[in-house]
Amino acid sequence: GENVEQHPSTLSVQEGDSAVIKCTYSDSASNYFPWYKQELGKGPQLIIDIRSNVGEKKDQRIAVTLNKTAKHFSLHITETQPEDSAVYFCAARRADQAGTALIFGKGTTLSVSS
Amino acid sequence: SAVISQKPSRDICQRGTSLTIQCQVDSQVTMMFWYRQQPGQSLTLIATANQGSEATYESGFVIDKFPISRPNLTFSTLTVSNMSPEDSSIYLCSASRGSEQFFGPGTRLTVL
Repeated sequence: GENVEQHPSTLSVQEGDSAVIKCTYSDSASNYFPWYKQELGKGPQLIIDIRSNVGEKKDQRIAVTLNKTAKHFSLHITETQPEDSAVYFCAARRADQAGTALIFGKGTTLSVSS
Repeated sequence: SAVISQKPSRDICQRGTSLTIQCQVDSQVTMMFWYRQQPGQSLTLIATANQGSEATYESGFVIDKFPISRPNLTFSTLTVSNMSPEDSSIYLCSASRGSEQFFGPGTRLTVL
């Protein structure tokens, strides 16, 4: 089955710096790669996603890149702000007969200090 | 997007008892799922809740311990049965519409 590896587990940056989180996946049949932000005491919130027919997607300060050949994708946050501090999860969608279920990485705790 | 609500938001239970968690989505969705998240950990898929039929469980999770119902397209329940302290966790309901998957706020369960 699908396995998603996420690095780093923790990331500390200064306000205004960029942050990059990387994930690799094992199942070449996976075709959908979302990123979630989880704040303390809340459920994960979808912040951006990318499909396998696209190499890059941007939404304001957030961008995601996908390299299908290498089976890795990355989240880029520019001009970080203290409110970006949270746990970020990458995921890959496993495409099989049981339906589409996301498999998650272990998460990255991002701390943005002002 | 889909708005997902869960009840209860948290509970403290005694070992050996059962708790049923309810999940309501504000509109019809394709799939519903249940995940478990240990404190500080990632999300682990428990099962896919199938509308009108038995849920599909992941390895390590069984129906006797985590019975799931999905009577219609917008509602599902997860029961944690015969609880032990090891069941203390956050239980998250999730639903998908097309490619996108959304999560509820979670139910924080503590078993004493």
